Amino acid sequence: QKEVEQNSGPLSVPEGAIASLNCTYSDRGSQSFFWYRQYSGKSPELIMSIYSNGDKEDGRFTAQLNKASQYVSLLIRDSQPSDSATYLCAVPGGGGTSYGKLTFGQGTILTVHP
Amino acid sequence: ETGVTQTPRHLVMGMTNKKSLKCEQHLGHNAMYWYKQSAKKPLELMFVYSLEERVENNSVPSRFSPECPNSSHLFLHLHTLQPEDSALYLCASSQRAALTGELFFGEGSRLTVL
Repeated sequence: QKEVEQNSGPLSVPEGAIASLNCTYSDRGSQSFFWYRQYSGKSPELIMSIYSNGDKEDGRFTAQLNKASQYVSLLIRDSQPSDSATYLCAVPGGGGTSYGKLTFGQGTILTVHP
Repeated sequence: ETGVTQTPRHLVMGMTNKKSLKCEQHLGHNAMYWYKQSAKKPLELMFVYSLEERVENNSVPSRFSPECPNSSHLFLHLHTLQPEDSALYLCASSQRAALTGELFFGEGSRLTVL
């Protein structure tokens, strides 16, 4: 069973639209959740973290967390072509150990077309 | 130099070669990591070092040998690798290792094993 699961996409949205990226996780005890963005040929960079149920907004990005459903999402409003990247969902722990381990999903490829 | 730097950026080696990947972080962090990123697979944690002590070895074959001489430097020594080891190897650092999700990645070393 995958511990962090994402739809690999690709997800294609027009410029200016809302992009919705989804992630489910298997460990009910997970307390924190992270979204990383990885441009093609580049390394991942942290863009959002969320710890409590509900929404967290940062500029055009909103992270949503529902621990009861074990579901976390990332919304990108007013999508721009520069948002085209792979978005990785990550949860600390997993695989029987938690010290220093961050478990990543496979990533969703987002393409924003003009 | 700022952030996390990795050298070399690209490496091609035969199965009988011995080579090393180097990582240096300039962020004053206490934990360093090696991750492996293969095509179509999620990022996989390989090793975690906290304050120069290895705290996690995620079932990695012995042909990969990490070394952390101090809190700013991390090496990955490679020997008798297999073609399936071809991947992007990412070094990362964080302020601490325990249950952290805030990683700072280097640009990666692209390894090709012939």
